[in-house]
Amino acid sequence: NAGVTQTPKFRILKIGQSMTLQCTQDMNHNYMYWYRQDPGMGLKLIYYSVGAGITDKGEVPNGYNVSRSTTEDFPLRLELAAPSQTSVYFCASSYSEATGGYTFGSGTRLTVV
Amino acid sequence: RKEVEQDPGPFNVPEGATVAFNCTYSNSASQSFFWYRQDCRKEPKLLMSVYSSGNEDGRFTAQLNRASQYISLLIRDSKLSDSATYLCVVNKGDYKLSFGAGTTVTVRA
Repeated sequence: NAGVTQTPKFRILKIGQSMTLQCTQDMNHNYMYWYRQDPGMGLKLIYYSVGAGITDKGEVPNGYNVSRSTTEDFPLRLELAAPSQTSVYFCASSYSEATGGYTFGSGTRLTVV
Repeated sequence: RKEVEQDPGPFNVPEGATVAFNCTYSNSASQSFFWYRQDCRKEPKLLMSVYSSGNEDGRFTAQLNRASQYISLLIRDSKLSDSATYLCVVNKGDYKLSFGAGTTVTVRA
């Protein structure tokens, strides 16, 4: 049982480039989330999804886009990368909104130069 | 004001000691509460839920004080393996969790 799988683990982007962070879960969870974590800061919610075809903005959505075409996949797209997007990105999933038992992926460390 | 605030520490304690720390939350409508553990350069993992009556899980005890809007975590008989950052997490009931910045605990031999 793989849980939540994120790729890539590391990436260096140049300013203005774009990329997609992949996230896949095999637990049949309806709820999926993208967070970013900056040093000394709590995780900030970027986007979330409550099921296939449904996505919504979190606290810090600017500069990002998501899609949820299947229950398993929740990719995060960065358009026109900026240095402010240098961060660690975590994808997570949960069975229901009532539980705090999120399963996180191992993260993507992104540097924009 | 941040939704969830934690003392960043670090709390530096010897093996076998007891360490305790709190977090405060700003939204009185918050419905559920959790402690997550995050090891260096790893993903957060659920440590335990926090119930109104307080609860224990082995050497870990969590307490919730709704009147004062704080949550506490106590670790007894600290082990080297307890060294980590502990994240206080609050659910307002709107599908999303709010994470504190974490309290760092270092257990020394």
